[in-house]
Amino acid sequence: GQNIDQPTEMTATEGAIVQINCTYQTSGFNGLFWYQQHAGEAPTFLSYNVLDGLEEKGRFSSFLSRSKGYSYLLLKELQMKDSASYLCAVRDSNYQLIWGAGTKLIIKP
Amino acid sequence: DAMVIQNPRYQVTQFGKPVTLSCSQTLNHNVMYWYQQKSSQAPKLLFHYYDKDFNNEADTPDNFQSRRPNTSFCFLDIRSPGLGDAAMYLCATSGGGATDTQYFGPGTRLTVL
Repeated sequence: GQNIDQPTEMTATEGAIVQINCTYQTSGFNGLFWYQQHAGEAPTFLSYNVLDGLEEKGRFSSFLSRSKGYSYLLLKELQMKDSASYLCAVRDSNYQLIWGAGTKLIIKP
Repeated sequence: DAMVIQNPRYQVTQFGKPVTLSCSQTLNHNVMYWYQQKSSQAPKLLFHYYDKDFNNEADTPDNFQSRRPNTSFCFLDIRSPGLGDAAMYLCATSGGGATDTQYFGPGTRLTVL
């Protein structure tokens, strides 16, 4: 079966750095997405990786290793507004998006 | 601003009373999706349309139906809502291209009494 694994919950301190990991087993690979979802709201697109390596976008970076079936989202200079769930999703060989259940990130002052 | 709009944002219905949720988009995307998401769970794809070509997920209950009368609008009909259908319903669109990123509307929170 197809599977996306992410930690259920993480806690970090305002101003610090946090890394949210995602491992996947899917039938084929056609890209990996990270979305941010605040409580009670819709997911918003953060990043897309299809080649190995690091993609940087402001305070957020996303890394992909296709050979390891692994990605991480790195958030720097954490702000209270970064408290949200972060969802990892992989597009498989049928171009279907397989979603993780998300990692709830709690930021403490 | 180009966007995905969902109405209503909050919907309360009674057990067994049909309900329709609506989604519209100004992005002119050819693909539209309906997801169901329950608390702390991954979004679950119910259907998607590629233009007017309807694609039903194998495990989507018959109680859920969908219509896409034109490029801009898509509807989700729940014929006889049960307590287990209480969830956030998310509409998303994508326009193809290299990344074919999905963009979501704000969602409709459905409560079944």
